[in-house]
Amino acid sequence: QKEVEQNSGPLSVPEGAIASLNCTYSDRGSQSFFWYRQYSGKSPELIMFIYSNGDKEDGRFTAQLNKASQYVSLLIRDSQPSDSATYLCAVKRGNNRLAFGKGNQVVVIP
Amino acid sequence: DAGVIQSPRHEVTEMGQEVTLRCKPISGHDYLFWYRQTMMRGLELLIYFNNNVPIDDSGMPEDRFSAKMPNASFSTLKIQPSEPRDSAVYFCASSLPRDGGGTDTQYFGPGTRLTVL
Repeated sequence: QKEVEQNSGPLSVPEGAIASLNCTYSDRGSQSFFWYRQYSGKSPELIMFIYSNGDKEDGRFTAQLNKASQYVSLLIRDSQPSDSATYLCAVKRGNNRLAFGKGNQVVVIP
Repeated sequence: DAGVIQSPRHEVTEMGQEVTLRCKPISGHDYLFWYRQTMMRGLELLIYFNNNVPIDDSGMPEDRFSAKMPNASFSTLKIQPSEPRDSAVYFCASSLPRDGGGTDTQYFGPGTRLTVL
């Protein structure tokens, strides 16, 4: 089982719609969870981190964490063309390193 | 803060040559990470340091790869000799753990795009 799995293929959403991204992780002891955005040819940049079960909102972004189900998600409301990028889920391991998923590509269609 | 600084941004070299990539972490961060990213394999952790000491180098692909961190503000990743399959984008990242007053977030540098001909 992979440490962090992002199984969905490319996601196409109309401008103004909600984009929903999901991620599962294998280490039940994980404590910190991250979503990064990576534009083509650029480095990953942090969108949000979340530590506790429940929802965390920041502008148009909402991260949701369910530790019992070992599941973390990201919602992007009112999607904009500038949101078109690859989104990486990352989970902190006990040794202070992050395990990254392969990423999900999001394409927002004007 | 200037963020994580990497140099060079682009490197083109010939097979067999030595390549040295450089990184300056964010001041105050005590963890430094080197990653490699390719389309096929995604983002791979090569090695990381805590307080300038290498903690885990299990991701270093071969003995041709070596990394050093002589002080808190500088690290190098060296490939000698380089091979075409080493072509990738190499990222450096730094972080400050939650138990150190940070957020565990890793902040990435702009990367070095390496092409080995």
